[in-house]
Amino acid sequence: AQKITQTQPGMFVQEKEAVTLDCTYDTSDPSYGLFWYKQPSSGEMIFLIYQGSYDQQNATEGRYSLNFQKARKSANLVISASQLGDSAMYFCAMRNAGGTSYGKLTFGQGTILTVHP
Amino acid sequence: DVKVTQSSRYLVKRTGEKVFLECVQDMDHENMFWYRQDPGLGLRLIYFSYDVKMKEKGDIPEGYSVSREKKERFSLILESASTNQTSMYLCASSLPPGSGSYEQYFGPGTRLTVT
Repeated sequence: AQKITQTQPGMFVQEKEAVTLDCTYDTSDPSYGLFWYKQPSSGEMIFLIYQGSYDQQNATEGRYSLNFQKARKSANLVISASQLGDSAMYFCAMRNAGGTSYGKLTFGQGTILTVHP
Repeated sequence: DVKVTQSSRYLVKRTGEKVFLECVQDMDHENMFWYRQDPGLGLRLIYFSYDVKMKEKGDIPEGYSVSREKKERFSLILESASTNQTSMYLCASSLPPGSGSYEQYFGPGTRLTVT
C-alpha cells in the first residue's frame, strides 16, 4: 500500500525568503506520480506541481520547484521568494500509474505554511 | 475554464438523516472521486467512479454509498448520518491515467455538520 508522510504540521517563513516543505512517500510500484496542492483558507484545492517517477529533471512551475530524490523517496516542495498569499495548507499526494489505480490519489497529512511580513 | 461544482458549501443535518452531496463536472472526465478531509489526517478517499454506473470503494467507505447515473454527476450518500461524519467533503474529477493529463480537479468542498 502506498503512503505519504508530511512531518511538518506547521511552518513559518519570512516574506521574500525561500521555504521547503517536506514529503516522503512509500510505494512498491515503479511508476508513480507526485503532486503538490495548495489549500487556502477558502477551502479550494489548487494544483501546484507534478513530478513523474521517470522524469529525469526536477519539476518547476514559476516560484515552485519539486526537489525529487528518488532513492530517498522524498518529494519536497520548495517555494522561492515567499509571498503573504502563500499562507495556506499544502498537501503532498501520490498516484500510482497502474491501470487499476484509476488515478486515485493518496494524500499526506498536510503542512500549514504561514508567511510573516 | 474547467469546473467542478458541489451542491452546498455548508450543510447542517441531524443524526439519522439521509444526506445527499452532489458533485457535477463539466470536463467530460471519466473518473470522479469523493474525499473527506479531517485535521491531521489529510484527505482520505471514500469512493470513486471510473465510468457511469461503475464505482469502487476507497479507503473509508463505511457509512457511505455513491451513485453515478450520468457521466458528469457523482453523488455521495450518507444513509444515516452520524456525528463522526462531520467533516469537509471534497469531490474531484480527472481523465484516466495514460491520457496525458494527470491532474485531479477539485470542487470547492462541502462542510457538513451532523448534530
